[in-house]
Amino acid sequence: KQEVTQIPAALSVPEGENLVLNCSFTDSAIYNLQWFRQDPGKGLTSLLLIQSSQREQTSGRLNASLDKSSGRSTLYIAASQPGDSATYLCATGANSKLTFGKGITLSVRP
Amino acid sequence: GAVVSQHPSRVICKSGTSVKIECRSLDFQATTMFWYRQFPKQSLMLMATSNEGSKATYEQGVEKDKFLINHASLTLSTLTVTSAHPEDSSFYICSVLTSGGKPSEQYFGPGTRLTVT
Repeated sequence: KQEVTQIPAALSVPEGENLVLNCSFTDSAIYNLQWFRQDPGKGLTSLLLIQSSQREQTSGRLNASLDKSSGRSTLYIAASQPGDSATYLCATGANSKLTFGKGITLSVRP
Repeated sequence: GAVVSQHPSRVICKSGTSVKIECRSLDFQATTMFWYRQFPKQSLMLMATSNEGSKATYEQGVEKDKFLINHASLTLSTLTVTSAHPEDSSFYICSVLTSGGKPSEQYFGPGTRLTVT
């Protein structure tokens, strides 16, 4: 059974800092890995999707990498802003189903 | 991506009553939708896969007679929590599975906060 871990559970950084959010998973037999953003009391917004054959994806200030062999993914956020404050969840996909981590709650201080 | 709505966004009901939550795919014909539940500071847990025109597939440990799912059209899936109890209070989120030449991806609704008193 796939287990997805995100550590730490919470992170606070000053505005402007570059940061890396980590995600690890136990079963490397995945089709893809997705990063989501969740604001308090809201649904999920898809940020980046990496297919199993890909190593990374980029969108604006976000870059996500995937290393299946080591069971790791990272989400890199460049020049963080207070508006980036949210919970970031990673999820592995297999057979169209997603397995989520608990998320990392990020706070970017002005 | 697909635009997904849920109704209601919040609902409070008394213990023992039933509550229906709607999930609509506004711009994509979805043969497959998913229902998740999220407890505070926990992961989203998949409850069931909703298939248009056929029975839903439930995950282990989810009572199919308690959480009734109907996916009668390509744009609407409903989740009915029957005989709700306080332990059913949670955040329920649906998603739509897209495909059609692009990598399959799930797009999520805004969620429904259920509180059972």
